[in-house]
This record gives sequence, structure tokens and C-alpha cells, in this order.
Amino acid sequence: KNEVEQSPQNLTAQEGEFITINCSYSVGISALHWLQQHPGGGIVSLFMLSSGKKKHGRLIATINIQEKHSSLHITASHPRDSAVYICAVTANDYKLSFGAGTTVTVRA
Amino acid sequence: KAGVTQTPRYLIKTRGQQVTLSCSPISGHRSVSWYQQTPGQGLQFLFEYFSETQRNKGNFPGRFSGRQFSNSRSEMNVSTLELGDSALYLCASSRGGAPTNEKLFFGSGTQLSVL
Repeated sequence: KNEVEQSPQNLTAQEGEFITINCSYSVGISALHWLQQHPGGGIVSLFMLSSGKKKHGRLIATINIQEKHSSLHITASHPRDSAVYICAVTANDYKLSFGAGTTVTVRA
Repeated sequence: KAGVTQTPRYLIKTRGQQVTLSCSPISGHRSVSWYQQTPGQGLQFLFEYFSETQRNKGNFPGRFSGRQFSNSRSEMNVSTLELGDSALYLCASSRGGAPTNEKLFFGSGTQLSVL
């Protein structure tokens, strides 16, 4: 069983819709990362968080350490948000483990 | 400020050969970590270097090795290539405080094909 589970695997939304991606993990962690990968391979770090909530533009990331769960929300989605979103955790041994990713498609 | 630079962008090798990939971090960043991405296994952590020392290592065979130079540039080497080593290899840099507890900046990757 993977240490990091993401859902859904794929998601299609209409432009303007609110999108939520979930991440659950089974190990003790010191940090959780949300990454965005566009076709062609480039990965951008969106958030790194160890507690609470962070917001950047239309993106919001939350984490509940007790429940070992994090969510990434995209408000007012746009076609340029179409990408693969990957959750990664820094375990207590400082090794990074990755979720399988969520492919998001936003239609105009 | 220049981003993380990986070279080469594409590489084709045959089984049994060895390969060396290069990663130049953002200026001032002292930590470099390496990752393998395949369609079947997704992203997997290879190793992390800080101040020329390997600070952490993932679960890969000894054929995968790396090093870091005094200017923080890092190289990754894969010896005796196997077909299953075909993958996108990514490196990321960070300032280098707590390992992998900082925001990571990724390079564009090296796409390795083993024939």
C-alpha cells in the first residue's frame, strides 16, 4: 500500500468551478508538499505546509495532522489550471514519498 | 535569478552502458535532491545531497549513485543500464536547511531512454 494516497485520480471541471483534490498519508510527517506538473515534465512547488492552511491566489491548501489528510482547492478554475497535481510528504526520516497524482482538466 | 538547470534534456543509451546526468541548482541553494519518474511507479526519491555529502537515500540499487561538488552542482550516475531505467530524472534544489522540509525548485528533467 502506498504511503500517500490521492483522490480522485482524474477530474474534469468546467471553467469557473470549484475543485478539490484530497491527499491521505499513513506515516508521520514533518511537511507536506503540493506540486503541479504540466505536460512536458516541469514541476512547480505550489505549497509546503506542516499545519493549518495556506492561500496563494486562487489556490488554497489545508492540512489536518491528526487525521493525516490534506486538501488542495482551486477556486474559479481556469483552463490554464489543467495539469497533474501531486501530493508529497516528508516523512520523519526526511525521505520524500509521492502520491500518484491527480490529472485535472478544466474545459472552457 | 536562473532556475535549476539539468543537462542533457534527452539521452538515449543501450543496455549495459552507464550515464551521467548533471544538475546546477539555483545560486545560493546548497541542497540538491534527485527523483525518478516513470508512468508505472510515478515519482520516487533517489537521494539528497547537502554540502557535498549524501544526506538521505531512497530505495534504489547501488547502480544509482551521485555526488555533489563544492559549488553545489550535482551529478547522478547510473551504471549497467537496464530497460527499466528509462524514465524522466528530475532534480530539485533548496536552500538546504532541514532536508526536504523546504520549498523545492525543480529542473525540467532529463528524459533517459534505454534501448
